Amino acid sequence: SQQGEEDPQALSIQEGENATMNCSYKTSINNLQWYRQNSGRGLVHLILIRSNEREKHSGRLRVTLDTSKKSSSLLITASRAADTASYFCATGRSGGYNKLIFGAGTRLAVHP
Amino acid sequence: DAMVIQNPRYQVTQFGKPVTLSCSQTLNHNVMYWYQQKSSQAPKLLFHYYDKDFNNEADTPDNFQSRRPNTSFCFLDIRSPGLGDAAMYLCATSRAAGLAGGSDTQYFGPGTRLTVL
Repeated sequence: SQQGEEDPQALSIQEGENATMNCSYKTSINNLQWYRQNSGRGLVHLILIRSNEREKHSGRLRVTLDTSKKSSSLLITASRAADTASYFCATGRSGGYNKLIFGAGTRLAVHP
Repeated sequence: DAMVIQNPRYQVTQFGKPVTLSCSQTLNHNVMYWYQQKSSQAPKLLFHYYDKDFNNEADTPDNFQSRRPNTSFCFLDIRSPGLGDAAMYLCATSRAAGLAGGSDTQYFGPGTRLTVL
């Protein structure tokens, strides 16, 4: 069953603008991760945030997590054309192996 | 560079003709996963190996099987592909959290796109 729901499904912006993508989930989690997928390629891990964290930064990426609302957001600042991709959130429960359940993703298009 | 490799990148098979997709990794990770991703959808976990232990997802069709002969290699076998099995198949690895160097991050290969005629 799909755990995460993402919105928007698609986002189109100009280079230099910020892009915000949201993810909601249903059950308790240990961690939430964001992955990027370029068209026809595999997924690339971007950032992991644990359930006891509220915010995390990595370069131009900022992720927030609100466990009371069961939601997360991914902010990409000063977007570039190379950021054009699909972005997926995935929720995990650690311990042994980490089973990830992916949301349907947000397709981001950044226009030069 | 350490990586996850999938071969072939594109596979065409005929309806009902068995097909095998392969995945290899140089990361020495103990967990390997197979996902199915249909167009514009989320990746869906089919099964995973924790070391040699195979773990099937409850809703994975019997048509899909897997083999892991050693740490580095994992195979996805589709016994009788149907038109509905056309998809991107993604292999991923991780080193189990709790082990030295372990984490909850998964590392993905580039995928194999399967076409069923």
